[in-house]
Amino acid sequence: ELKVEQNPLFLSMQEGKNYTIYCNYSTTSDRLYWYRQDPGKSLESLFVLLSNGAVKQEGRLMASLDTKARLSTLHITAAVHDLSATYFCAVDISTNKLIFGTGTLLAVQP
Amino acid sequence: GAVVSQHPSRVICKSGTSVKIECRSLDFQATTMFWYRQFPKKSLMLMATSNEGSKATYEQGVEKDKFLINHASLTLSTLTVTSAHPEDSSFYICSARGSGAFPYEQYFGPGTRLTVT
Repeated sequence: ELKVEQNPLFLSMQEGKNYTIYCNYSTTSDRLYWYRQDPGKSLESLFVLLSNGAVKQEGRLMASLDTKARLSTLHITAAVHDLSATYFCAVDISTNKLIFGTGTLLAVQP
Repeated sequence: GAVVSQHPSRVICKSGTSVKIECRSLDFQATTMFWYRQFPKKSLMLMATSNEGSKATYEQGVEKDKFLINHASLTLSTLTVTSAHPEDSSFYICSARGSGAFPYEQYFGPGTRLTVT
């Protein structure tokens, strides 16, 4: 059974601090996605990682993919309150279906 | 570009009635559309995949007779929840995938919150 697990499930951090969210998955995949969801809203696409070693950065967020370890990370640099949201990773399996991770609720405190 | 709309955004219906949710790709042709449901504070669960002009493929545990999916055109897919019950209350999100420069990208609609009383 395919599993996509995120760690931690809940993260409370102070503004200005750095932290990393981890996404582990249990099957072979070369495509991994990161999304942001605000309360009551749909998903906002953050990153698409298409190959082993891929690294992408946008503002204070940076995502990476290690397909051999079946691990992706979302690194937050100098967090600000506006980053408070739930973050999901999703793995694209061979049939082009997305299997979502458990989600990480990020709360950035002033 | 790559905008997906859903209608309605919010619906309340009584037990036993049916409700239809529309998902439209506004500026591209969607060869495949996906339907997800999300319970409060939970992740998204894929319900079914639909390709234009063919029957939807449902995930294990999803009742095809209860959740009717129609993908009649390259820009429209509908999800009908039949004989709704309170346990069907959820946030339903569709996504669409085209065949253009980024065929692996899914574009998500804004979601429909269904409440069954």
